[in-house]
Amino acid sequence: DAGVTQSPTHLIKTRGQQVTLRCSPKSGHDTVSWYQQALGQGPQFIFQYYEEEERQRGNFPDRFSGHQFPNYSSELNVNALLLGDSALYLCASSSLYHREGGEAFFGQGTRLTVV
Amino acid sequence: GQNIDQPTEMTATEGAIVQINCTYQTSGFNGLFWYQQHAGEAPTFLSYNVLDGLEEKGRFSSFLSRSKGYSYLLLKELQMKDSASYLCAVRDEEDSSYKLIFGSGTRLLVRP
Repeated sequence: DAGVTQSPTHLIKTRGQQVTLRCSPKSGHDTVSWYQQALGQGPQFIFQYYEEEERQRGNFPDRFSGHQFPNYSSELNVNALLLGDSALYLCASSSLYHREGGEAFFGQGTRLTVV
Repeated sequence: GQNIDQPTEMTATEGAIVQINCTYQTSGFNGLFWYQQHAGEAPTFLSYNVLDGLEEKGRFSSFLSRSKGYSYLLLKELQMKDSASYLCAVRDEEDSSYKLIFGSGTRLLVRP
């Protein structure tokens, strides 16, 4: 059973460019959340997708957008990249209907560097 | 506001016991999680508490007091491989979502 998979693992972009990160959730999970983790910090919640809709959003600008597909996989898009967007982007999958006692499983992350 | 506090760094000796504390203030609460994260890797689940008390899992135990907004992670018989960051996270239930609010993490260094 594959866990949460993210691609790519590393990415270098130039300031002002746009980037798309991808995530496939763990088998049986229907909810995908995205987190940004700056160096030395804990992950910060960006948003969550369930049933192909954004259900909740953290304190991130509109430059951050996402999508969930019918197979539950998800994309995170960031437009007009800033140097401060450099971070590890983590995808976490969970099951909305089994969330009692159910932990979120994290992918290995995408390390984004903006130069 | 939402706030989770944990010490930035701790050092302990191999074979010893260490306790990592976490205090939280969140608008909602439906469980507290501890994750371990080695440098450059994804967080991995260690423990979950939703009711007051102690949960034991091998060398790791976690305690929760909801009235005090307090939790701790206890690591026994420390091994060198336990050197990692330990993240305390609260599940904030709003609109039936599943949002985790993380602390900044505690970097644990285990010395021989």
